[in-house]
Amino acid sequence: DVKVTQSSRYLVKRTGEKVFLECVQDMDHENMFWYRQDPGLGLRLIYFSYDVKMKEKGDIPEGYSVSREKKERFSLILESASTNQTSMYLCASSLSGRGAYEQYFGPGTRLTVT
Amino acid sequence: AQKVTQAQTEISVVEKEDVTLDCVYETRDTTYYLFWYKQPPSGELVFLIRRNSFDEQNEISGRYSWNFQKSTSSFNFTITASQVVDSAVYFCALSEAKAAGNKLTFGGGTRVLVKP
Repeated sequence: DVKVTQSSRYLVKRTGEKVFLECVQDMDHENMFWYRQDPGLGLRLIYFSYDVKMKEKGDIPEGYSVSREKKERFSLILESASTNQTSMYLCASSLSGRGAYEQYFGPGTRLTVT
Repeated sequence: AQKVTQAQTEISVVEKEDVTLDCVYETRDTTYYLFWYKQPPSGELVFLIRRNSFDEQNEISGRYSWNFQKSTSSFNFTITASQVVDSAVYFCALSEAKAAGNKLTFGGGTRVLVKP
């Protein structure tokens, strides 16, 4: 079974702090994704990566950056956390290739910025 | 640009009733893929089904069935004889074949509450 793990289920940070969210997958997937989930808005893509050290902006990249130094690990960084970044953050991974493969999701990190 | 609309934000049913979740999509691509995911209260999204744009056959898996109609750009999901364990948020999603990294665009989700 594919397993995607995230470093924390719940996190509370103060405004202005630098925040790191870590995601690890164990199925050698090429693609990895970071989403945020807010009520009524569904999941919105922040960033994704299709290879080590490669990244592309999603729909809402402002205020975030990412790092992928190893294939299995994809980090989301909030350079200076703000209250409007309070949200549920979901990491996902998938195979790459012709056709769209299903994404496998981690359990999520609920981040509160005070 | 691609878009997925789930008009129903919340549906409440009594156990054993059938429930149908609507999903309407927009895309300019001729090749695309549609997905349904379930998010139970635990929070982790669970993949349910993937269909490609060339396969309009309906699918049944146990109490779940899906109706894909290209003519109306819809990919609806029906739970037959609902159970309390079906209570969850359900998301419809779309991926265009040309999209880099197999990106998904999600609908806003439909919360299903099944009462005993």
